[in-house]
Amino acid sequence: EAQVTQNPRYLITVTGKKLTVTCSQNMNHEYMSWYRQDPGLGLRQIYYSMNVEVTDKGDVPEGYKVSRKEKRNFPLILESPSPNQTSLYFCASRALYVSGLDTEAFFGQGTRLTVV
Amino acid sequence: KNEVEQSPQNLTAQEGEFITINCSYSVGISALHWLQQHPGGGIVSLFMLSSGKKKHGRLIATINIQEKHSSLHITASHPRDSAVYICAVPSNTGNQFYFGTGTSLTVIP
Repeated sequence: EAQVTQNPRYLITVTGKKLTVTCSQNMNHEYMSWYRQDPGLGLRQIYYSMNVEVTDKGDVPEGYKVSRKEKRNFPLILESPSPNQTSLYFCASRALYVSGLDTEAFFGQGTRLTVV
Repeated sequence: KNEVEQSPQNLTAQEGEFITINCSYSVGISALHWLQQHPGGGIVSLFMLSSGKKKHGRLIATINIQEKHSSLHITASHPRDSAVYICAVPSNTGNQFYFGTGTSLTVIP
């Protein structure tokens, strides 16, 4: 079954304690991305990756890091979490976009993060 | 300025009603995506369309590329259709998605 798996689903942590949210896909997709979803603001892109070792910033990258050492995995790292990073996070993947030929996006189940 | 505008923001309907959610966008696109998010759940892709109309069960999506407008219709709505519906379009390079803020639908039995 084609899927994007995020872990953990729920996480409560304290300010400053480093954490990693994992994301894995089984579809051999080149493109992976991270989003955060906040009430009234909708989904906003944090980082994306076009392929292994190729990552770039989205709209709201401050306070986040990512890595893409393997094609299937794209972890999101919060080195020093702060309360304003409390949010619902989604990982997504899709086959590489070719101009004029879009591809379906697959989303993970989400990670609800609370930073106190 | 939002690249993608959705309306309405909130919608309450009686079971069995015909529902329409609208999406307008300002960027040139190759396709538009309709997504569904159930309360507490993940996001599921419903449709990806670049022209005309697509149908899946009771859901129908249409797009007018010239007018930069898409609609999602639900026929014979059911309480299990209660969810947030989000439209999204890719940027020209495909590196980003521009998302609407979503339409929260509640279908009352």
